[in-house]
Amino acid sequence: AQKVTQAQTEISVVEKEDVTLDCVYETRDTTYYLFWYKQPPSGELVFLIRRNSFDEQNEISGRYSWNFQKSTSSFNFTITASQVVDSAVYFCALTGRGGGYQKVTFGTGTKLQVIP
Amino acid sequence: GAVVSQHPSRVICKSGTSVKIECRSLDFQATTMFWYRQFPKQSLMLMATSNEGSKATYEQGVEKDKFLINHASLTLSTLTVTSAHPEDSSFYICSASRTAGVNTEAFFGQGTRLTVV
Repeated sequence: AQKVTQAQTEISVVEKEDVTLDCVYETRDTTYYLFWYKQPPSGELVFLIRRNSFDEQNEISGRYSWNFQKSTSSFNFTITASQVVDSAVYFCALTGRGGGYQKVTFGTGTKLQVIP
Repeated sequence: GAVVSQHPSRVICKSGTSVKIECRSLDFQATTMFWYRQFPKQSLMLMATSNEGSKATYEQGVEKDKFLINHASLTLSTLTVTSAHPEDSSFYICSASRTAGVNTEAFFGQGTRLTVV
């Protein structure tokens, strides 16, 4: 069985602050993919990143960075110098061999509010 | 990236009526599509796997007679909520992948917000 845990339900930060969203996962698959999605108030899912289980290199994309620690089964997401437009619900997600790499198991989401 | 389109984006229907939601892969063929449901302030939960040319596979607790899924072609899957009730009000979202296997990515539609009054 797969499970994704996002312990932070809601986070509020003041604009320009850095914020880290935590994600811990469980899977029996040796090959799996981890994702982060952004869901703004309009509802659509915006793909942010996909990381496979064999690539533990951290990644930076503009103000976004991701820290994948296989030893602790964590895949944390940091937004640097947050902006009001970053306000949304962020989902961490997982696919693995058990789901044909297509079924996505989502965490419960973290609602981020960036206050101007 | 690939495009998955859902229609309608919002729908309001009366209790007891049926509503059809379409999910289309616009620039690729998808033998498998997935339907998710998201209740307010909750996560997305997989409802069913839609397979082209065969019956859908439903997750535990999802009524197959209430949520009819048809995957008539490699680019279209439909979800029909039959005899809708207010408790069916939710955000429904589909996903599709180009191929099965390791190097794949699920692309999501824009979602459909269903309100049953």
